[in-house]
Amino acid sequence: AQSVAQPEDQVNVAEGNPLTVKCTYSVSGNPYLFWYVQYPNRGLQFLLKYITGDNLVKGSYGFEAEFNKSQTSFHLKKPSALVSDSALYFCAVRDMSNFNKFYFGSGTKLNVKP
Amino acid sequence: DAGVIQSPRHEVTEMGQEVTLRCKPISGHNSLFWYRQTMMRGLELLIYFNNNVPIDDSGMPEDRFSAKMPNASFSTLKIQPSEPRDSAVYFCASSAGYPNTEAFFGQGTRLTVV
Repeated sequence: AQSVAQPEDQVNVAEGNPLTVKCTYSVSGNPYLFWYVQYPNRGLQFLLKYITGDNLVKGSYGFEAEFNKSQTSFHLKKPSALVSDSALYFCAVRDMSNFNKFYFGSGTKLNVKP
Repeated sequence: DAGVIQSPRHEVTEMGQEVTLRCKPISGHNSLFWYRQTMMRGLELLIYFNNNVPIDDSGMPEDRFSAKMPNASFSTLKIQPSEPRDSAVYFCASSAGYPNTEAFFGQGTRLTVV
């Protein structure tokens, strides 16, 4: 069955430090992977996606994600966190074998402290 | 494009009343998703339309919930009768139908059933 796991409910990091938000996936066939961010009282906002090619994907607001096929992971990273990065982050996979349905992880709350 | 438009943004209703949530997807998108978000259950997919046809409604909680997509530019989610446990934020999202395309979310409708 297709699924996405975000093992951490919450990640705490100090401003200026690098951050990583973890995501692992399970999907048959080639994975199409996405990261979204949700700020309070807002909808989910697309950050970046992996389709094919370079394993390091760059996205909005200085975020990037590393695709690792052997570990079935797609971790979100940023070299230097900002307080304004504090939000809820969702990893998602789109399943082309199931009508291109999206499967979302449970979300990880990122807290960046000054 | 103005993005995915949902209305109303907030809805407060009494238990037993009918509630209708509305969504206008991005023009040209042929996939539409309805999600529900609560603290307890996270982000849940309720129903997924492709080319105006419901593809997967396995997430619809019970018969009190129904969704329609009469044309490519409009969808509704109806709850009748509403119950306090239906209180949540309901999101509509749309995307192109290809697996390598991201979904775009509306701002959501915050429903409170008292």
